[in-house]
Amino acid sequence: DQQVKQNSPSLSVQEGRISILNCDYTNSMFDYFLWYKKYPAEGPTFLISISSIKDKNEDGRFTVFLNKSAKHLSLHIVPSQPGDSAVYFCAASLDQGAQKLVFGQGTRLTINP
Amino acid sequence: KAGVTQTPRYLIKTRGQQVTLSCSPISGHRSVSWYQQTPGQGLQFLFEYFSETQRNKGNFPGRFSGRQFSNSRSEMNVSTLELGDSALYLCASSSLALRADTQYFGPGTRLTVL
Repeated sequence: DQQVKQNSPSLSVQEGRISILNCDYTNSMFDYFLWYKKYPAEGPTFLISISSIKDKNEDGRFTVFLNKSAKHLSLHIVPSQPGDSAVYFCAASLDQGAQKLVFGQGTRLTINP
Repeated sequence: KAGVTQTPRYLIKTRGQQVTLSCSPISGHRSVSWYQQTPGQGLQFLFEYFSETQRNKGNFPGRFSGRQFSNSRSEMNVSTLELGDSALYLCASSSLALRADTQYFGPGTRLTVL
């Protein structure tokens, strides 16, 4: 039972344009959501997070939107840069302090020059 | 500050064997979590250790076990290996702040079971 789903295995975007990565979840008890970025041969690195009490969190070029009623979150990257090419994972936890994360399958983002 | 290190980076085993993977957390981090990454399932939580005690456990069979030492280093053991255990095993360490977004991941150990 996949509680966190990323339905797009891959996404290709032109440099300078907006990249939008989507994530859906089924467990309404999830309280905290995170996005990770992973390069080949490296571990995932934390990008940005959002608590369920918010609907938007912004950090530089990265913005995460949360729609609790739809159980959907998205990551927007504006403008997209070649260095953003990586696999992006969304993850959820039952609270901000929980170390047990439930991850989606990942979306491979390719930024084309 | 040195990052999370995992050894070995690559491992090839045959079905029925057992394997031990090692993780050294960032200095000062007392929480270590283990994840299995496979192409179809993404990252799946195995277990988390804090101060030598298992604090959380995922939905994996008893063949998967772990432990943590007093210096916070952690080992993961898989017994009676199956083909489906082929995966990238990642460990992550976290500070005492106990925030999910303070988890730092190592590069992983790529296990291939033949």
